[in-house]
Amino acid sequence: GAGVSQSPRYKVAKRGQDVALRCDPISGHVSLFWYQQALGQGPEFLTYFQNEAQLDKSGLPSDRFFAERPEGSVSTLKIQRTQQEDSAVYLCASSDDRASSYNEQFFGPGTRLTVL
Amino acid sequence: RKEVEQDPGPFNVPEGATVAFNCTYSNSASQSFFWYRQDCRKEPKLLMSVYSSGNEDGRFTAQLNRASQYISLLIRDSKLSDSATYLCVVNLSGGYQKVTFGIGTKLQVIP
Repeated sequence: GAGVSQSPRYKVAKRGQDVALRCDPISGHVSLFWYQQALGQGPEFLTYFQNEAQLDKSGLPSDRFFAERPEGSVSTLKIQRTQQEDSAVYLCASSDDRASSYNEQFFGPGTRLTVL
Repeated sequence: RKEVEQDPGPFNVPEGATVAFNCTYSNSASQSFFWYRQDCRKEPKLLMSVYSSGNEDGRFTAQLNRASQYISLLIRDSKLSDSATYLCVVNLSGGYQKVTFGIGTKLQVIP
């Protein structure tokens, strides 16, 4: 079946512009994650949803970052007033919710954001 | 100290060589451990889980040392197609899905 998809794949924004990044998880996956991956670094956790509930947003770097998943499926990561340090690849991942153990996270291809 | 530490490399090895990567983690309460593989400009994909008893999948062997808080990945008979970045991943609690990634170790297998 279809994997995790993200759009747009590439986004160039001028400093101060707002951007919205979309993630379509694998159908039926309860858990959804957003990560930020800077060049030469590993993915850094941003936030986690279980269905529509945002259970952990401890990784969001500032209040300019906001994520939602209103119907428990598609999720949007919004960044307001973008700064150059926001330039990174934003990865979305989804997983089943067999709560007794860790479940493999399946990643989307990412959105490469460049802030000029 | 970072929660998960890896040598970023790069490790340049000839085809057919055996190569090993280590990863250390700081939280002794960590429950689950994994190796993910990430090809250049691609998304990470699960390579293998790491069990307390150690586990093997073909040319790949993963081991966990809880006392010293490190995990390892051994690749035997390296292939050109093994060239990638290998990410060490640690899950704090088995019932909660949040994980922490290391910086990744870059492997380049040379013909």
